[in-house]
Amino acid sequence: NAGVTQTPKFQVLKTGQSMTLQCAQDMNHNSMYWYRQDPGMGLRLIYYSASEGTTDKGEVPNGYNVSRLNKREFSLRLESAAPSQTSVYFCASSSYNSPLHFGNGTRLTVT
Amino acid sequence: RKEVEQDPGPFNVPEGATVAFNCTYSNSASQSFFWYRQDCRKEPKLLMSVYSSGNEDGRFTAQLNRASQYISLLIRDSKLSDSATYPCPWGSGGYQKVTFGTGTKLQVIP
Repeated sequence: NAGVTQTPKFQVLKTGQSMTLQCAQDMNHNSMYWYRQDPGMGLRLIYYSASEGTTDKGEVPNGYNVSRLNKREFSLRLESAAPSQTSVYFCASSSYNSPLHFGNGTRLTVT
Repeated sequence: RKEVEQDPGPFNVPEGATVAFNCTYSNSASQSFFWYRQDCRKEPKLLMSVYSSGNEDGRFTAQLNRASQYISLLIRDSKLSDSATYPCPWGSGGYQKVTFGTGTKLQVIP
């Protein structure tokens, strides 16, 4: 069972470069989420998609864009990476009123 | 103000001790309540759901106090392997927008 799959697992970027983090789930979940987690801190919601075709801002959306490509896939794009975006990024998915299932995370370093 | 607040800890307890911590909600919209466990640098994993009647899973007991807007987690007979961070989420209606507390860090000491 794949569950929630994130790619890549690790990435190093230079300031100003762009990249897209990919996330796919095979559990037929309606909702998908992107979080970031800085060292010693809790999860912070970047963007979420309550259903296919909709996306909404979370707590820390600045510097990010998202695309809900279809029911399975939800991507996160950094247009111009900054060192403040160095973090671990987690994708998650869930059904209505059900717990979230998380991917393994992407460890991003921006130099 | 965040929808959910937690004491970040750390709670340092000896093996075999009983420890409890809470999540307090400022917004009662959430209809579902859960406890997660997160090991260092890993993804959070569901520990248990929290029901109005309370529920128990082995050494773990979760309670919901809807009137006072908090949930609690009680761990009995703590093991070294219980050392982790325990975050709790808050979800909007339908559990669509989901934010997390800081997590409470537990260190079980030999």
